[in-house]
Amino acid sequence: GQQVMQIPQYQHVQEGEDFTTYCNSSTTLSNIQWYKQRPGGHPVFLIQLVKSGEVKKQKRLTFQFGEAKKNSSLHITATQTTDVGTYFCAGPGYNQGGKLIFGQGTELSVKP
Amino acid sequence: GAVVSQHPSRVICKSGTSVKIECRSLDFQATTMFWYRQFPKKSLMLMATSNEGSKATYEQGVEKDKFLINHASLTLSTLTVTSAHPEDSSFYICSARERGGGVLYQPQHFGDGTRLSIL
Repeated sequence: GQQVMQIPQYQHVQEGEDFTTYCNSSTTLSNIQWYKQRPGGHPVFLIQLVKSGEVKKQKRLTFQFGEAKKNSSLHITATQTTDVGTYFCAGPGYNQGGKLIFGQGTELSVKP
Repeated sequence: GAVVSQHPSRVICKSGTSVKIECRSLDFQATTMFWYRQFPKKSLMLMATSNEGSKATYEQGVEKDKFLINHASLTLSTLTVTSAHPEDSSFYICSARERGGGVLYQPQHFGDGTRLSIL
């Protein structure tokens, strides 16, 4: 079945270091969405990428959508302790009424 | 905007009890809501898709008689865990998608989740 894979599963960084998480889909996606879940919290929508090769920025966060629309990445520059949480990518299931297929998530911890 | 309220946030009850969880979209209409289950340090596992005015669509392996879903209005969906047992203990999260727009493109807005503990 359709799968969305995300790596790494965990990432521990020193505050100020950069961080990247990668997302790969087994099928071409119409769009990819990124969510952040803080410890003890619920997922919060961050951004959506739609176009092939699209790059979007939100302050220190840079999101990319691959040319083939099967992979994506999230890069955080100069991490801060407020970046702590689990980052999920998600893509719509093919012919499945718009339900999202979530990646396993990357848990980011930042040491001050 | 796009606020989803989920209630209760925490439930502790005895085995055999039925527990109802409510999910409300506060400032938008949601023809579709989703119910997820999340285990510690794990991803979101979709349990079912709740459609306003029609039966829910359950994912493979999810017992529909165990997890009853009702989507009575455009702003409310409920999940009832019937005759709950310790193995049903988990974090349950609902999400809602705004009405209108392409179903493939609308992001999901999540409730705060319900932490269910069955003793």
